[in-house]
Amino acid sequence: DADVTQTPRNRITKTGKRIMLECSQTKGHDRMYWYRQDPGLGLRLIYYSFDVKDINKGEISDGYSVSRQAQAKFSLSLESAIPNQTALYFCATSDRLSGTVFSGELFFGEGSRLTVL
Amino acid sequence: DQQVKQNSPSLSVQEGRISILNCDYTNSMFDYFLWYKKYPAEGPTFLISISSIKDKNEDGRFTVFLNKSAKHLSLHIVPSQPGDSAVYFCAASASGSARQLTFGSGTQLTVLP
Repeated sequence: DADVTQTPRNRITKTGKRIMLECSQTKGHDRMYWYRQDPGLGLRLIYYSFDVKDINKGEISDGYSVSRQAQAKFSLSLESAIPNQTALYFCATSDRLSGTVFSGELFFGEGSRLTVL
Repeated sequence: DQQVKQNSPSLSVQEGRISILNCDYTNSMFDYFLWYKKYPAEGPTFLISISSIKDKNEDGRFTVFLNKSAKHLSLHIVPSQPGDSAVYFCAASASGSARQLTFGSGTQLTVLP
């Protein structure tokens, strides 16, 4: 089983609908992230959470919200989906920093492809 | 404005030859750089990294070079293998930014048999 699991893997929805993407992890990491990937733009950070009580906006948080239900679960919501939110969404985790040591390694899920019509 | 740029969307290389993927950055505060590899229908996976205190880091067939004065880094794969065919993302982070990663747009590497 994957260490970082995203559901659903594929979703087609209509403009104005509420959609939730879920992420769960078994790595025991404190930090969780949501990214979106668009052609020609790479991966852009939407939200990140360093623990259950710590939620932070990323580069492109408008139109999105998140919930950190537990250390292992981090969900992304689109309250009213619009077509330009059509993208591939990735959840990722990382371990906490240990002193000044930074591994930089993010562990990604397999992605959730969202299409908004 | 993209702070991390990968100007080559695609690269084709013959099996056994060297692959060189390039990445430029504009933020002088970046002090840690990483490369990720992504296969279709999978999430990106970490490949190799380098701190700004170094100018080279090697791991098997993969070597990353950092030129701080030019704000440029490159990933060398020698020898290239068909299994290396994937999208490669360059990423960078700065201290004091909660170590958030800023990604480039990716380069599709195709290694031809």
